[in-house]
Amino acid sequence: KAGVTQTPRYLIKTRGQQVTLSCSPISGHRSVSWYQQTPGQGLQFLFEYFSETQRNKGNFPGRFSGRQFSNSRSEMNVSTLELGDSALYLCASSPGTLGETQYFGPGTRLLVL
Amino acid sequence: GQQLNQSPQSMFIQEGEDVSMNCTSSSIFNTWLWYKQDPGEGPVLLIALYKAGELTSNGRLTAQFGITRKDSFLNISASIPSDVGIYFCAGPNAGGTSYGKLTFGQGTILTVHP
Repeated sequence: KAGVTQTPRYLIKTRGQQVTLSCSPISGHRSVSWYQQTPGQGLQFLFEYFSETQRNKGNFPGRFSGRQFSNSRSEMNVSTLELGDSALYLCASSPGTLGETQYFGPGTRLLVL
Repeated sequence: GQQLNQSPQSMFIQEGEDVSMNCTSSSIFNTWLWYKQDPGEGPVLLIALYKAGELTSNGRLTAQFGITRKDSFLNISASIPSDVGIYFCAGPNAGGTSYGKLTFGQGTILTVHP
């Protein structure tokens, strides 16, 4: 099976812009979770989608949003970018039952100038 | 919130040495996961543990799920240069409806000198 894919791999934006990141889960997986990774805060959970519905959300401001499509592909959007949003954004997929193992994509490296 | 305390924070070892790292939590976990991350890449799953007391091996890696369900350790035997990277423990906390959320340890940075 193909693994989790994320596009783009690298992105440079300026403050105030918005960005959309994409994630394609492993075939057959219906759950997609998003994480932000920074040197200072480590890996932090953003939100999780299952069957096009957000089931769980972390403690991030409303500028961070996401959605999931009927084919389980997911996108996350960050509006009004801030310097502190520079990070590695990771998505992970799993079949969708509580407590399952997650498999991560390679991540999107976002740099905000 | 949920926290995993992972130690040590970093290790500098010689090729061929064995490595041990562990993770503890104040809360119970139903699953313990160990991942390895290379710079600029996503975490790669090494071992998944699902039962208290479970001991699982994957090549030179061995991990155990603590009986109290509040700790886990990962051992790497006969380290090689490609073992370099950051190792994370992670788990979904027991109970509740915390779908899709893993809590991660702070990571152990492993450096292997040839």
